[in-house]
Amino acid sequence: EVQLVQSGAEVKKAGESLKISCKASGYSFTRHWIVWVRQMPGKGLEEMGIIYPDDSDTRYSPSFRGQVTISVDKAISTAYLHWRTLKTSDTAKYFCAKTMVSGPVGAFDMWGQGTVVTVSS
Amino acid sequence: SYELTQPPSVSVSPGQTASITCSGDNLGDKYVCWYQQKPGQSPVLIIYEDIKRPSGIPERFSGANSGNTATLTVGGTQAMDEADYYCQAWDTNTVVFGGGTKLTVL
Repeated sequence: EVQLVQSGAEVKKAGESLKISCKASGYSFTRHWIVWVRQMPGKGLEEMGIIYPDDSDTRYSPSFRGQVTISVDKAISTAYLHWRTLKTSDTAKYFCAKTMVSGPVGAFDMWGQGTVVTVSS
Repeated sequence: SYELTQPPSVSVSPGQTASITCSGDNLGDKYVCWYQQKPGQSPVLIIYEDIKRPSGIPERFSGANSGNTATLTVGGTQAMDEADYYCQAWDTNTVVFGGGTKLTVL
């Protein structure tokens, strides 16, 4: 069974760092792009960036470049989203998802359950 | 940057047909997919490559894409179809989501 299982909810303070994870199983992790998506409370889906696990080719959305770091650990089929310095505006639910095909195209056919990040001042 | 525009809301009576549009420059030249998201849940892929349905998605969901507009059609809408719907495409190796449409089944 194809699954993406994300790490649990986080409550942090502004200025702290955070790394959340997305563990894949049931498919060839290195052959499908992973996207990270932000959903702020009551708002829509925003793409943050994508990564190809095989070679860690990473592309960031302009809005998020320099704000977060996306990485993978192929050995444990896990993708990560990292903040060096959290802001209260980072409060949101974060999803990871995988592409249906190997290229950076097409649909995301499996999504993680989401990780809620709450950042207080 | 490339943008996809959706109406914020669409209302439909049970059993009727709902259409949700997604507009973008020359969108017909790209593949569009659609996701359904219910409150508190993750998005679910319901249409990919403009017109294809993943396994398990009811036939009442269909898609089309031509010119500058892609359309998601829900035929015989049921109460369980009340949700947010997002279109998505790729533009120069970048993922683009529409702003989402709340489908209300009255």
